[in-house]
Amino acid sequence: DAKTTQPPSMDCAEGRAANLPCNHSTISGNEYVYWYRQIHSQGPQYIIHGLKNNETNEMASLIITEDRKSSTLILPHATLRDTAVYYCIAQGGDTGGFKTIFGAGTRLFVKA
Amino acid sequence: EAGVVQSPRYKIIEKKQPVAFWCNPISGHNTLYWYRQNLGQGPELLIRYENEEAVDDSQLPKDRFSAERLKGVDSTLKIQPAELGDSAVYLCASSFFLGYEQYFGPGTRLTVT
Repeated sequence: DAKTTQPPSMDCAEGRAANLPCNHSTISGNEYVYWYRQIHSQGPQYIIHGLKNNETNEMASLIITEDRKSSTLILPHATLRDTAVYYCIAQGGDTGGFKTIFGAGTRLFVKA
Repeated sequence: EAGVVQSPRYKIIEKKQPVAFWCNPISGHNTLYWYRQNLGQGPELLIRYENEEAVDDSQLPKDRFSAERLKGVDSTLKIQPAELGDSAVYLCASSFFLGYEQYFGPGTRLTVT
């Protein structure tokens, strides 16, 4: 099971890009990198995922290093509503070995 | 499309009492997950179902916790008897199949007094 490490907290100015790093140095070849976020008193919300290529959707961009040992979630124009805890997870494998392990995540504060 | 529905949203009980949580996953989702989330921590998987089969219950405290997923749709998580340390948010999630993105419900906040 790949374990991920993230900084406990980060600040970002409203309107600026928020770049959230994640280290997953023990990720295996069949594990995807997933990002979720959790706004206070709600369940986690899926953001984006990728295997080895960079990905972009309407919410964010995901940059995965070539060696796949780390990744960065980019929120291009952060708003106050992006204040949340962001979780980076490495998950994959077959039914018997499949694990989803959440760490403590990064608490992002977007400031006006 | 309706999301994952959980009830109740809040529950306060005295220790040693039983409690049950209900989850209705997104229609067509094969995989269902129950998580427990303590304050300031990430969710911790308790049990995962694929259809009606519990395929990973390694983190479920089986002396007091039980779960079922009848007909591979709705699921119930039960605690009997509850302890003070069980106070937490219990989250249900579902995904189309194993390995797909998970969709979470709002959770049930349990307080054991």
